[in-house]
Formats: sequence, C-alpha cells, structure tokens
Amino acid sequence: KAGVTQTPRYLIKTRGQQVTLSCSPISGHRSVSWYQQTPGQGLQFLFEYFSETQRNKGNFPGRFSGRQFSNSRSEMNVSTLELGDSALYLCASSKDDTDTQYFGPGTRLTVL
Amino acid sequence: QKEVEQNSGPLSVPEGAIASLNCTYSDRGSQSFFWYRQYSGKSPELIMFIYSNGDKEDGRFTAQLNKASQYVSLLIRDSQPSDSATYLCAVRRDYGQNFVFGPGTRLSVLP
Repeated sequence: KAGVTQTPRYLIKTRGQQVTLSCSPISGHRSVSWYQQTPGQGLQFLFEYFSETQRNKGNFPGRFSGRQFSNSRSEMNVSTLELGDSALYLCASSKDDTDTQYFGPGTRLTVL
Repeated sequence: QKEVEQNSGPLSVPEGAIASLNCTYSDRGSQSFFWYRQYSGKSPELIMFIYSNGDKEDGRFTAQLNKASQYVSLLIRDSQPSDSATYLCAVRRDYGQNFVFGPGTRLSVLP
C-alpha cells in the first residue's frame, strides 16, 4: 500500500507571497492532519480534515488555511508569507477507527 | 505548562544498554499515547502506541503508561547506534480529536 505523499518536497518563496502544499493520504484514510515543525517550536498542529470538513484547528493565524477534497487529498495554503513560516510542513493521515497516524515525507518551505 | 513535556536531551547511552525516554502530559482525560521516532531530515514514524495502564512490549521496545501519574515512557533494550534519533511522545484525548506532540528527546547511542 502506498504511503502518504506530499508535493512539492522543497519550496523557496519570498515574503508576501502565498504557497499551496498538497498531501495525498494512504488509500482508505479519511483523516488528514497538517503540522508545522521548526527547531524552536517542535511539531505544532495546524488543522485536521475529515470527510472534507475541518474537524480540529490549532492556534495558527488565519493566513494558514486548508481544504480536503472528496478523494481525501488535502491542500494547505499559506498567504502573505513571513520569514517565520520557514519550516517543515508535515501531513499525516489516519483511518479514524484505528487511531494510528502516518506521516508523509514533508515539504520544506523556505521564506526569504 | 506545556501539554506534553519531554526532556530535550541529548540522552546518550552506550550500545547494548537500555535507553529510557520519559513523557508527561497535563490533560488527565487523555486516552491514547504514541511514540514516534524521527531521524534527522526525515518525517516521524510510529514506533508503538498504548491505551491501557501498564506495559506493552514490541520487540526491543516497551511502552509504559501510568495514567494516575500522567506519565508515559519508552524503554529501548539493547540499544543500537541505528536507534539514534529524536523520539516524540504524542497524546490524544479521544477519537476525532487532534494529537498533541511533545518537543522530543534526542537519543544518541554510542558505539
């Protein structure tokens, strides 16, 4: 069974731009969660989507948004990028009934 | 107080020794507990999970949970240099709720 995939793997943007990241979950998984990982803050929860609905949300500003499509693929958007948005963005998928979460390889975003 | 706390390390142990990694959590209603391993430059991978008080063993790994003390630990027996990584503790209150991760403990197994 294929794992969680994320595209692109690396991205360089400048301040003020916006970016869209994509995540394809494991087949059959309906939940997709997004995390931001930085050396200083660790792994911070952004939001979770389940059956195209945002089910949970972390403490991030409204510049961070996401959505999920009917095939469970999810996208995350960050508008008006700031230097502090440079991070590894990870998505993780799970079958809601088994409670086990599997991570994708991540997208490394650098904001210049 | 952070929701999930871990010693940042680095924790250094000699090859063949037992590595003990600890995690405390603040939400007494937490029901599910997970340990992930993350190698440098890679994404976290699930090692094991535990739901009930007591010990759960999987190969060289043993997770221990004490809900009364709000404490979960991971023991790695016969530690190998390949176990050198950051270990993340994660906690979840219930189905349908998000995971909360600790900051991770960096483990170094010395040959």
